[in-house]
Amino acid sequence: DVKVTQSSRYLVKRTGEKVFLECVQDMDHENMFWYRQDPGLGLRLIYFSYDVKMKEKGDIPEGYSVSREKKERFSLILESASTNQTSMYLCASSQGVPPYEQYFGPGTRLTVT
Amino acid sequence: DQQVKQNSPSLSVQEGRISILNCDYTNSMFDYFLWYKKYPAEGPTFLISISSIKDKNEDGRFTVFLNKSAKHLSLHIVPSQPGDSAVYFCAASFMEYGNKLVFGAGTILRVKS
Repeated sequence: DVKVTQSSRYLVKRTGEKVFLECVQDMDHENMFWYRQDPGLGLRLIYFSYDVKMKEKGDIPEGYSVSREKKERFSLILESASTNQTSMYLCASSQGVPPYEQYFGPGTRLTVT
Repeated sequence: DQQVKQNSPSLSVQEGRISILNCDYTNSMFDYFLWYKKYPAEGPTFLISISSIKDKNEDGRFTVFLNKSAKHLSLHIVPSQPGDSAVYFCAASFMEYGNKLVFGAGTILRVKS
């Protein structure tokens, strides 16, 4: 069974802290993605990776960075957390074949105070 | 620039009746369309997809219709059940966009018993 796991379900951090969100997939997928979900805005792509050590900016990369040292693991880093980064963060992976279905993790609800 | 739009933020339907969720798009290059369902505090799960060369795809209670000339698709759920209450996201992809999906803002479906 397909599985994408995220390191935390809920996280509370202070403004200015460095935050690491971890995502692991067990499907040997080439592609991994980080999104944030906000009410009324849907899912917005932050970064994605199509191979180990390869990354590409999504629609809203400002304030974030990513790391993919191993195929199964994709990390999202908030260099200096701010209150406007309070959101639901979702990780996904895909095989990269039509219809390009992505499999999602359970999400991390991050609150920055 | 919202390439995929879900103009109805919410929909309320009686149990047993049909639910119709709508989605409009602007990019005629899209070649696959997908629907995802999301419960609170969980990641989205894939429901059904349709290729741009088809006008209908059916899977059990779920049917997706595509009208390319109108750049419109809809998801029909018949009969609706209380467990269908969730947020539904429409998404689209095309080969030149790599493996990425463009998501709509989502529609909250409430099925009343």
